[in-house]
Amino acid sequence: KAGVTQTPRYLIKTRGQQVTLSCSPISGHRSVSWYQQTPGQGLQFLFEYFSETQRNKGNFPGRFSGRQFSNSRSEMNVSTLELGDSALYLCASSSGTGIGSTEAFFGQGTRLTVV
Amino acid sequence: AQTVTQSQPEMSVQEAETVTLSCTYDTSESDYYLFWYKQPPSRQMILVIRQEAYKQQNATENRFSVNFQKAAKSFSLKISDSQLGDAAMYFCAYRSANYQLIWGAGTKLIIKP
Repeated sequence: KAGVTQTPRYLIKTRGQQVTLSCSPISGHRSVSWYQQTPGQGLQFLFEYFSETQRNKGNFPGRFSGRQFSNSRSEMNVSTLELGDSALYLCASSSGTGIGSTEAFFGQGTRLTVV
Repeated sequence: AQTVTQSQPEMSVQEAETVTLSCTYDTSESDYYLFWYKQPPSRQMILVIRQEAYKQQNATENRFSVNFQKAAKSFSLKISDSQLGDAAMYFCAYRSANYQLIWGAGTKLIIKP
């Protein structure tokens, strides 16, 4: 069974640009969550999608958005990039319901550098 | 709001010995899940062990076990017979009712050969 796949693995962008990150969850999983990891703020929850609907959202500005497709693949978009957006972005998938929702499987992350 | 605190930024242990990583949390919820995740240099987050709050019995996974004290809101991880491959960042996490994971700051575990 394939794991969670995040693409690309590394990105370098310029301030003011926008970026789209992709996450393909484990087959059969309907929930995808996104987290931002930085040395200063640690791991912070961005949002969670379940069956194409945003089910929960963290405390991030509106520049951070996401969506989920019918095949459960998810994308997150960051517009008007700032230097502080440089981080490792982690995606996690789970079944989204019942006991299976308690176990989240993570991808290897996308390392975004804003210059 | 829930919070998770890991007070040990770094711990070191001799190979084959036992080490305990500490975690405390704060919540008003009665039913929740707690986790320990391991993040090696590859950066991929790996689930080590999971504890359901309604279960009094401490979870165990091979060399990894937890000491879950619900009243004290404490959730420590014990690693027995430490191995070089255990070296990593360890994160304690709380899963809230709205499915998000709330994370501690992490503990860097160093294994001395």
